[in-house]
This record gives sequence, C-alpha cells and structure tokens, in this order.
Amino acid sequence: KQEVTQIPAALSVPEGENLVLNCSFTDSAIYNLQWFRQDPGKGLTSLLLIQSSQREQTSGRLNASLDKSSGRSTLYIAASQPGDSATYLCAEAQGGSEKLVFGKGTKLTVNP
Amino acid sequence: DAGVIQSPRHEVTEMGQEVTLRCKPISGHNSLFWYRQTMMRGLELLIYFNNNVPIDDSGMPEDRFSAKMPNASFSTLKIQPSEPRDSAVYFCASSFRGRYGYTFGSGTRLTVV
Repeated sequence: KQEVTQIPAALSVPEGENLVLNCSFTDSAIYNLQWFRQDPGKGLTSLLLIQSSQREQTSGRLNASLDKSSGRSTLYIAASQPGDSATYLCAEAQGGSEKLVFGKGTKLTVNP
Repeated sequence: DAGVIQSPRHEVTEMGQEVTLRCKPISGHNSLFWYRQTMMRGLELLIYFNNNVPIDDSGMPEDRFSAKMPNASFSTLKIQPSEPRDSAVYFCASSFRGRYGYTFGSGTRLTVV
C-alpha cells in the first residue's frame, strides 16, 4: 500500500531562516511527486512537480528534490517570510495509476 | 483558464438529506478526482475517472456515496442519505494523464447537522 509520510507535523521558525520540509514514500515505482501549499480554509495550490526522471525542480525561493532510491523528497524554502506560513503537502503519483497519495502535511509558521 | 470549478462552496444540510456536489474540470484534462479532507484522516481519494469512466472507486466509503461523470466537463458526487460523519471538505481535481500535475478546485465545505 502506498504511504506518504511528512515529518515534522509542525514547524515554527523565525523570519529569514532557510528550512527543509521532508517527505518520504514507500513505493519506488513513482511516476511523479508534487508539492502543494494549503492556507487555512482554502484549497490546494501547486508549488512544484518533479517527474520520476528528474532530481529537482526550482521556483523562486523554493527548491524540491527527489531521491527515488531512498524514497525521499525535500522542499527547501530559502529566506522564509511570514507569508510562507501555511500547510505544505507532498503527494506521490505511482506509475501505472493516476492516484495521488498525500502525506498529512507539515504546518509551517514563520514568525516575524 | 478558470481552473477547476466546484459548487457550492459551502453546504449545510440536515442528516438524512441528499447532497450533490458539482465539479467542472479544466478543459482538455482527461482525468478527474474526488478527494475528501478531514482533520483526522487528511486527504483521501474517493474516486477517479479517466475519459469519463470510473477507474477506481475503492475509496468511496459506503453505498450512500455515488459519483458520475456524464461528459468531459462535468462531474457530480452525491451523498444520500447524508450523515454528520460526512462533514468534511470535498475537493475535485483534474489532470492530463497525471503527467503535468494535478489542479485542485477550491473545495466544498460540507456540514451535516
């Protein structure tokens, strides 16, 4: 059974700090992995998509990596800002199926 | 593109009533997904369609839940009869074969009292 785990469940950092969010998945037959952001009471906003053939993707202050051999992905946020406060979710799509399996998320708080 | 459109945004209903949630996927996307989000269980896939055909409905909790996709631009998720434990946020998402990622709608917050 596919499982996606995100640790820690919550993280609080001071503004300006660089930080890493972790995601692990159990199935190496990954098709792609996607990171989302969810603000309280809102929907999911796609941040980065990494195909199985890629090692990383970057968008502005965000960088996501994928290591299939270890079953891990990381989301790196540089120079964090209070506006980055949200819940970050990773989701794995497995090859042969389009189902997206989500982790429970990491709730990030960036303090001014 | 207006993105994935869901309606209504909020629904409050009494236990036993029928509830119908609606979704319009992004034009050109051939896969559509219904997810449910709760604090306890996070995001769970209920059902997904490919080219309007249900592919996997193993996440549908009970026979009270049903979903249809009569055409490429419209899908419904129906709960009949509704129960308080169905209270959650229901999301619809669409993709083009999953290859370019998934786009989510804003969700429907359902409260069954």
